Amino acid sequence: SSELTQDPAVSVALGQTVRITCQGDSLRTYYANWYQQKPGQAPKVVIFAKNNRPTGIPDRFSGSSTGNTASLTITGAQAEDEADYYCNSRDSSGNHRVFGGGTKLTVL
Amino acid sequence: EVQLVESGGDLVQPGGSLRLSCAASGFTFKNYEMNWVRQAPGKGLEWVSYISGGGKITYYAESVKGRFTISRDTANNSLYLQMNSLRAEDTAVYYCVRDVDCSGGSCYPTGWFDPWGQGTLVTVSS
Repeated sequence: SSELTQDPAVSVALGQTVRITCQGDSLRTYYANWYQQKPGQAPKVVIFAKNNRPTGIPDRFSGSSTGNTASLTITGAQAEDEADYYCNSRDSSGNHRVFGGGTKLTVL
Repeated sequence: EVQLVESGGDLVQPGGSLRLSCAASGFTFKNYEMNWVRQAPGKGLEWVSYISGGGKITYYAESVKGRFTISRDTANNSLYLQMNSLRAEDTAVYYCVRDVDCSGGSCYPTGWFDPWGQGTLVTVSS
């Protein structure tokens, strides 16, 4: 079982805003990172350390965190954003890395 | 270009052993912590193991502790995962990932994984 909890699936209408959440006690202490994985591809980071975007990631992707919940927000979702999204952080000990179960995003 | 290339995946019988390798290039390998992450078919990502830059500190997920061993060879810029007593539930694509905690001149207490290799498939079946 994962120490980080995500909703299994979320859908959003094209051009609308969607928020994907990740809950876990360790998020009160450690930042969350977010990865996007499209079918047949390796994951890639879209948000690191709560709210930072790597070079090349569109600014419609943003991250935030409150208490034990981290969020990935896509403002103006595009068809190419349809993918699986995973949050990742540390466990309560700080030594082990952990992933959320993943959220399948469908863009309608 | 920073690159990680995994190899060594294969079909192996339950109870068997396998050694995965990851060739790193484009960065100073000894300066980075490294991890293995796996993904069973149709399932989510699972962190497997961590190793410090110097190789002296290692951590393992409970699901593989005592069966898997992570190691690194700085001279050859390579990361390894020795997998023993393999089980059907170890069937997965195994990714080699670099642990990063600094970007654009800023460093953060919680690292992230970047980049990811293309993965290597391990199938445990009789």
